[in-house]
Amino acid sequence: EAGVAQSPRYKIIEKRQSVAFWCNPISGHATLYWYQQILGQGPKLLIQFQNNGVVDDSQLPKDRFSAERLKGVDSTLKIQPAKLEDSAVYLCASSSPRRVGGYTFGSGTRLTVV
Amino acid sequence: GIQVEQSPPDLILQEGANSTLRCNFSDSVNNLQWFHQNPWGQLINLFYIPSGTKQNGRLSATTVATERYSLLYISSSQTTDSGVYFCAPQGNYGQNFVFGPGTRLSVLP
Repeated sequence: EAGVAQSPRYKIIEKRQSVAFWCNPISGHATLYWYQQILGQGPKLLIQFQNNGVVDDSQLPKDRFSAERLKGVDSTLKIQPAKLEDSAVYLCASSSPRRVGGYTFGSGTRLTVV
Repeated sequence: GIQVEQSPPDLILQEGANSTLRCNFSDSVNNLQWFHQNPWGQLINLFYIPSGTKQNGRLSATTVATERYSLLYISSSQTTDSGVYFCAPQGNYGQNFVFGPGTRLSVLP
């Protein structure tokens, strides 16, 4: 099966600019996650979707971060305006309850805010 | 929320050596995953192990949920095992998986 696709692979922006990341999960995976991984730390969940509904966004900084999942498939994560501390790798993962075995992660988008 | 500790934080091995990585968590868990993040940043799920022991080749994992810990064993380590190993337990009340800080493993040829 094809993996989780993410783009872009790298992004450099200036602070106060906006940026968007895209994720295409594995076909048939109903659950999609966005994680933020700051250098030297473990990934931190930002938002979880079940189909096109939000299940958990308790750690999403809603004043600047937003996410949507169109038609329960692709998802976009946006930051507006970006801050220096948003520099991190943004990881997308998907999972399916039909397959007991955990998450599949994409390769991530490395964001640098200067 | 659930607190996760991993030890050791860093580990350097000679190729062929064995190692044990430990994950302690603060609350009862419903599930637990182990991941390997390779030097290029790709996260790969190794085990989905809420309890008991599982083996996959040179790797095995044991979770003792009642004592709030999990262990990852790597035998006959290879340079390709280098990277960061994360455990991620899931609390009993439907919370999401919470990643620990990781153990950085370097296997030298």
